[in-house]
Amino acid sequence: AQKITQTQPGMFVQEKEAVTLDCTYDTSDPSYGLFWYKQPSSGEMIFLIYQGSYDQQNATEGRYSLNFQKARKSANLVISASQLGDSAMYFCAMREGRGSSASKIIFGSGTRLSIRP
Amino acid sequence: NAGVTQTPKFRVLKTGQSMTLLCAQDMNHEYMYWYRQDPGMGLRLIHYSVGEGTTAKGEVPDGYNVSRLKKQNFLLGLESAAPSQTSVYFCASSYGGAGNTIYFGEGSWLTVV
Repeated sequence: AQKITQTQPGMFVQEKEAVTLDCTYDTSDPSYGLFWYKQPSSGEMIFLIYQGSYDQQNATEGRYSLNFQKARKSANLVISASQLGDSAMYFCAMREGRGSSASKIIFGSGTRLSIRP
Repeated sequence: NAGVTQTPKFRVLKTGQSMTLLCAQDMNHEYMYWYRQDPGMGLRLIHYSVGEGTTAKGEVPDGYNVSRLKKQNFLLGLESAAPSQTSVYFCASSYGGAGNTIYFGEGSWLTVV
């Protein structure tokens, strides 16, 4: 069963605009973590932001923030004031469980973001 | 800092040949992972390890074997390569589970002809 769903295969956004990348997940475990990674055309995977299921506040890291809606099981990534360098593939990922049982990390299919000058 | 290092970075194999991808991390991480990424797709977990001497199957383990004889190394083996195994392979590691960030290697491009 698909556990991480990213419904936007591709997006085009004007430079300096904010952009929201969607991610929904499916789990019955009350303990889980959600990650966002960026993959530029060079291929490396770059960690952006993390949200734990018990975190009370939405995670923020610089221009990145995570719009975490637990009841809807969504964890959308918001990039404020987009830049040309934000053009890349973006992956949402989830890790279920706690401690040593929280081992597997499953990824969504990704969203290709293109920033227009 | 080296982080997570994968070797080789590029390889072309003939169908039926065998090979081993080596992943090394210098961060004293307990958990290590092997993923594959096909064109335009996300990462799929092949195998993973939660500590030295342990391995477990991920989403797509068939056709691959792994070993974690040393904490810092995680080997991915293809015993009889098939064209369907043409992919980019990523190794990753993390200190532990839960909220620990996973760090990726730069990827290994494998083509099976």
